[in-house]
Parts: sequence; structure tokens; C-alpha cells
Amino acid sequence: DSGVTQTPKHLITATGQRVTLRCSPRSGDLSVYWYQQSLDQGLQFLIHYYNGEERAKGNILERFSAQQFPDLHSELNLSSLELGDSALYFCASSVEGLYGYTFGSGTRLTVV
Amino acid sequence: AQSVTQLGSHVSVSEGALVLLRCNYSSSVPPYLFWYVQYPNQGLQLLLKYTTGATLVKGINGFEAEFKKSETSFHLTKPSAHMSDAAEYFCAVSESTGFQKLVFGTGTRLLVSP
Repeated sequence: DSGVTQTPKHLITATGQRVTLRCSPRSGDLSVYWYQQSLDQGLQFLIHYYNGEERAKGNILERFSAQQFPDLHSELNLSSLELGDSALYFCASSVEGLYGYTFGSGTRLTVV
Repeated sequence: AQSVTQLGSHVSVSEGALVLLRCNYSSSVPPYLFWYVQYPNQGLQLLLKYTTGATLVKGINGFEAEFKKSETSFHLTKPSAHMSDAAEYFCAVSESTGFQKLVFGTGTRLLVSP
């Protein structure tokens, strides 16, 4: 157990739907990062939050959004889902980003 | 912009043989470098990291990597492969300032045969 908790582990939904992925960071970590892992694009950075504030955005689609709450858990919202959004979504946390992250076990999203 | 190139999407070795996974990076500032391992249906686990200081870094499970600035490389090695080492390995780079994101390579799948 890495200490980073992601729920749900698996999610199957239809095109056009909206889903929410949840991440609880390791105790004491203020930073949360979201990554998407797919076969064709590998590990892509989506977004970074630090202590409730957005710090950096990567290749995140406009249909996707995220937030970090006062208790430091984070949610990634994916809307108007397309088949191509099927992927593993990882959350990672760190005290600071410089020294590597601790990853959760991921949420496997399948859009049918 | 930073980038990472991992040579070889698949590497096959026999149990007991040397493991060498190659990683080259590009960074305009001094980099921090990382190797992660991903077992099937699991998240990524940090194997080792280079930030500053000694260029030869040792990690978990007998792995080590050497930072070579002149070659812009950070290759991962293990003297003797074990069946349990079969997994996907990712090299990553981040800038050494601020809250910088990790940029990952495309990964190398290590296959270990008996």
C-alpha cells in the first residue's frame, strides 16, 4: 500500500457520460498530480494541485477538470466521454515535486 | 522542454543475467532523474532517483543507475536478473526547481526467462 488511495479501481461507462475519479494523497503530502496512461500516448501529465490551488496544467482536455479540497483529497472530472478517453488514470502525491511522487494504483476507465 | 528517450520497448534477459535498461534525457537545466517500475495492474513504484551528489545511485531490489551528464544518460542496471523483475520500467526527468512535473519515457518492458 503506497498510501495514495484512488477510487474506484475500475469504471465502465458509456460515451457521452460524466465520471468522477477520486484521490486521497499520502498523509502529509500537499501536492496531487494526475496522469493518464494509455497504450498510444504513454504517461501524460494532466494537472497539478498544491494545497488546494492549481499549479500546472499539462495535456488536459477542456472536457476534463479537477479540484483539490481543503482536506487535500482531489477529484478528476471527465465529461462528454469518448472511446479514446479509455485509459488508466493515476494520481500521485508528494510533499514537493522535486523528489519523486508516490503513485496510487490507478483507476481503469473503460468507455463503451 | 524536457524529454526522455528509452531505447528498446522490450528487453529480454535470462534469469541471472545482467539487466541494462537505457535512458537518455534532454533538459535545459540540471535535471532530477527517476526510475519507476510498474507491475501488471499496479501503480508506479519509485526504484531510485538522482537529485544531487553521487552520480551512482542505488535503489530497491538491487537496481542501480548512473547519472552521466556528458552522455545525458541515466541507465538502469542490475547484476543478476530475477524472475520477479519482469515488469515495465519508466525513466522520468524533472527540472530541479520549483514544483515541476515528471516527464516520463515510453517505458521498457523487461522479460525474464528461466
